[in-house]
Amino acid sequence: AQTVTQSQPEMSVQEAETVTLSCTYDTSENNYYLFWYKQPPSRQMILVIRQEAYKQQNATENRFSVNFQKAAKSFSLKISDSQLGDTAMYFCAFIDFGNEKLTFGTGTRLTIIP
Amino acid sequence: DSGVTQTPKHLITATGQRVTLRCSPRSGDLSVYWYQQSLDQGLQFLIQYYNGEERAKGNILERFSAQQFPDLHSELNLSSLELGDSALYFCASSANGRTQETQYFGPGTRLLVL
Repeated sequence: AQTVTQSQPEMSVQEAETVTLSCTYDTSENNYYLFWYKQPPSRQMILVIRQEAYKQQNATENRFSVNFQKAAKSFSLKISDSQLGDTAMYFCAFIDFGNEKLTFGTGTRLTIIP
Repeated sequence: DSGVTQTPKHLITATGQRVTLRCSPRSGDLSVYWYQQSLDQGLQFLIQYYNGEERAKGNILERFSAQQFPDLHSELNLSSLELGDSALYFCASSANGRTQETQYFGPGTRLLVL
């Protein structure tokens, strides 16, 4: 069974600093997709970034980038120049072919300190 | 705004009762997913529909049922409610329900069972 592990329940960082959230996953499949979703206090689930496992290049979206290490089954999220609006729960999620559901990690609560 | 709408936003009811949660997917999306977010179980997949047909099933209780209508909106019915059913219920949609597609989440319905 696929599992997603986020080992950092909580993190905090000063505004404008860089922070990295960790995620590891377990799968026997070779082709799959990874996501980071953000859940701010409003509770909305917002897509931050996605990565296709067949792509070697790490995905980037403005201040958000990932470090995808396929062999290590690691998928970390880096937030640069952090802003107060980045305060949220961040969930790592995984999906592979033949298994249409997203499997989520337990989340990391990130607080940006002014 | 993801384009996925869910009603109601909040629902308070008593044990033993039945409720219906409603979801409208993004314009053009044919597939709808339901997820449950609770404190003890985290985010869990319940069920997926594609163009009116059930496509995948997760850990959905027998007391819960869902359907997708010809206009593609979906309803999740929860019956014989228990205290443990209190959770945030998310609907997500994707274009064709394929693994490689991103799932976009609605704002959720917060259910409180007293």
